[in-house]
Amino acid sequence: AQKVTQAQTEISVVEKEDVTLDCVYETRDTTYYLFWYKQPPSGELVFLIRRNSFDEQNEISGRYSWNFQKSTSSFNFTITASQVVDSAVYFCALSETYSGGGADGLTFGKGTHLIIQP
Amino acid sequence: DTGVSQDPRHKITKRGQNVTFRCDPISEHNRLYWYRQTLGQGPEFLTYFQNEAQLEKSRLLSDRFSAERPKGSFSTLEIQRTEQGDSAMYLCASSFGRGGNTIYFGEGSWLTVV
Repeated sequence: AQKVTQAQTEISVVEKEDVTLDCVYETRDTTYYLFWYKQPPSGELVFLIRRNSFDEQNEISGRYSWNFQKSTSSFNFTITASQVVDSAVYFCALSETYSGGGADGLTFGKGTHLIIQP
Repeated sequence: DTGVSQDPRHKITKRGQNVTFRCDPISEHNRLYWYRQTLGQGPEFLTYFQNEAQLEKSRLLSDRFSAERPKGSFSTLEIQRTEQGDSAMYLCASSFGRGGNTIYFGEGSWLTVV
């Protein structure tokens, strides 16, 4: 069965520091998708990135970057020069396409609460 | 606003009462999902629809829960005879096409059972 582990429950850094959020996943499928979502206090889950299992290229979007490593089943998220507005809970999620049993939905980790102090 | 919308955003109900949540997905999206999220946890899958067909239900969805998506447009999630353990945020989401495509979430409906 699929599983997503976000070992960091809470991270607190001072503004402008770089911070990396870890995500480790388990799946038996060869085709799967990985996602990161941001959940601010308002509650809405905001989509950040989607990555398929065949694309191991790292991606950078502004201050955000993602490191996907199949060898270690990890999909880590780095925020460079963090800002107070980055404070939120961040979720890593996995979607399998062929294993059935709700597979077309997402399996989420428990989230990492990121606190950026001014 | 063309995102996923949910109503009501907050609901306080007495134990034993029935509640219903409504979700309007992004208009061209054929898939609609319901998730439940409790404090300190990630969202957990409840059920999903492809058009009007309910294709999958999690074991978390007890027989007190029922979801519908008539005509493949909006969806409702009803909880009958609410219990305190039902207190959670109920998230609706939608996507287009097949599995693996990006799923977009609404702002959620907070349920408190007193």
